[in-house]
Amino acid sequence: GENVEQHPSTLSVQEGDSAVIKCTYSDSASNYFPWYKQELGKRPQLIIDIRSNVGEKKDQRIAVTLNKTAKHFSLHITETQPEDSAVYFCAAGGQGAQKLVFGQGTRLTINP
Amino acid sequence: DAMVIQNPRYQVTQFGKPVTLSCSQTLNHNVMYWYQQKSSQAPKLLFHYYDKDFNNEADTPDNFQSRRPNTSFCFLDIRSPGLGDAAMYLCATSRAGTGEAFFGQGTRLTVV
Repeated sequence: GENVEQHPSTLSVQEGDSAVIKCTYSDSASNYFPWYKQELGKRPQLIIDIRSNVGEKKDQRIAVTLNKTAKHFSLHITETQPEDSAVYFCAAGGQGAQKLVFGQGTRLTINP
Repeated sequence: DAMVIQNPRYQVTQFGKPVTLSCSQTLNHNVMYWYQQKSSQAPKLLFHYYDKDFNNEADTPDNFQSRRPNTSFCFLDIRSPGLGDAAMYLCATSRAGTGEAFFGQGTRLTVV
């Protein structure tokens, strides 16, 4: 089955700097890669996703890149703000809506 | 305009006393998932329904059962809760072919 590894487990950056979180996956059949943000006590919220026919996707300060050959994808947050502090999870799955497998999570702290 | 609704938000149950968590959706999605999330960990998939087809994860304990009487509702039954079953239980839905999962607010289960 699919296995998703996520690094780092914790990340602390100064407000205004960039943050990068990386994930690798094992199943070459996976073709859907979402990123979720989870604030304390709340549900995971989808912030961006990418499908295997695309190498990069951007939405304002957030971007995701995908390297299918190497089986890794990354989340990039630029101009970080205090409200970006949360736990971020990557996931991998098939678009056939079979299961999403989550990475272990990254606790991102933005220091003012 | 809540789309995936979980009840209750907080549930306290006694050790060994059966408990049922519920999830409903207004999205008419054909896939519904149950995830278990323990503190500071990634959501772990317990099982999912693709329409009426039930898909159990290999490592989901027999203590956990699920029912989906119709498209809109899905239940998680824990037959004999142990202290180790205390966690946040997240329900999610998706439309087959899209991949994107929508999460409910979760039910935080405490076992005393």
